[in-house]
Amino acid sequence: DGGITQSPKYLFRKEGQNVTLSCEQNLNHDAMYWYRQDPGQGLRLIYYSQIVNDFQKGDIAEGYSVSREKKESFPLTVTSAQKNPTAFYLCASSRRTDHNEQFFGPGTRLTVL
Amino acid sequence: GESVGLHLPTLSVQEGDNSIINCAYSNSASDYFIWYKQESGKGPQFIIDIRSNMDKRQGQRVTVLLNKTVKHLSLQIAATQPGDSAVYFCAETAISGTYKYIFGTGTRLKVLA
Repeated sequence: DGGITQSPKYLFRKEGQNVTLSCEQNLNHDAMYWYRQDPGQGLRLIYYSQIVNDFQKGDIAEGYSVSREKKESFPLTVTSAQKNPTAFYLCASSRRTDHNEQFFGPGTRLTVL
Repeated sequence: GESVGLHLPTLSVQEGDNSIINCAYSNSASDYFIWYKQESGKGPQFIIDIRSNMDKRQGQRVTVLLNKTVKHLSLQIAATQPGDSAVYFCAETAISGTYKYIFGTGTRLKVLA
């Protein structure tokens, strides 16, 4: 059963702590993405990766970091430098060709107390 | 549940009626468009896509219309069912090879029994 998994579904952290969100896909997709979703706003791109060991900043990369050591995995770290980290985080993947739909994971709701 | 639907325009439709959800896209160079459905607390699901060389595409109970002259996209859902209740948003991308999408803020569809 192919798809994208994100864990955990809900995550609580104290202010000032770094936290890493997991994203795994078994779709054999080259490209992976992290988005942030806030109420009343469209998805905003944090980071994306088109191939293993390569990634680019999206529109709101400040305070976040990623790695892409394996094709299947694209973890996102929310650092203490992120001013307003409480949000719903979505991971997606797509084939590494133009104009292909992005498949989304179920999301992680991060709440910083 | 996820509060992504707060402050969004809402369309209320009687069960069995047709629904029309609209999206104004921003980039005249965009040439590939996707409609997504997002249920509360879940990741977005692909509904249908369309390329700019088409002005209409039909799926199962859904039709997407593209008007490039006014940069407008619409999603028509036939015989709306309670399971169609969700937030719907469009995404656009241009032939750039960056795999970057622009996402709309969405419309909440409420199906009335």
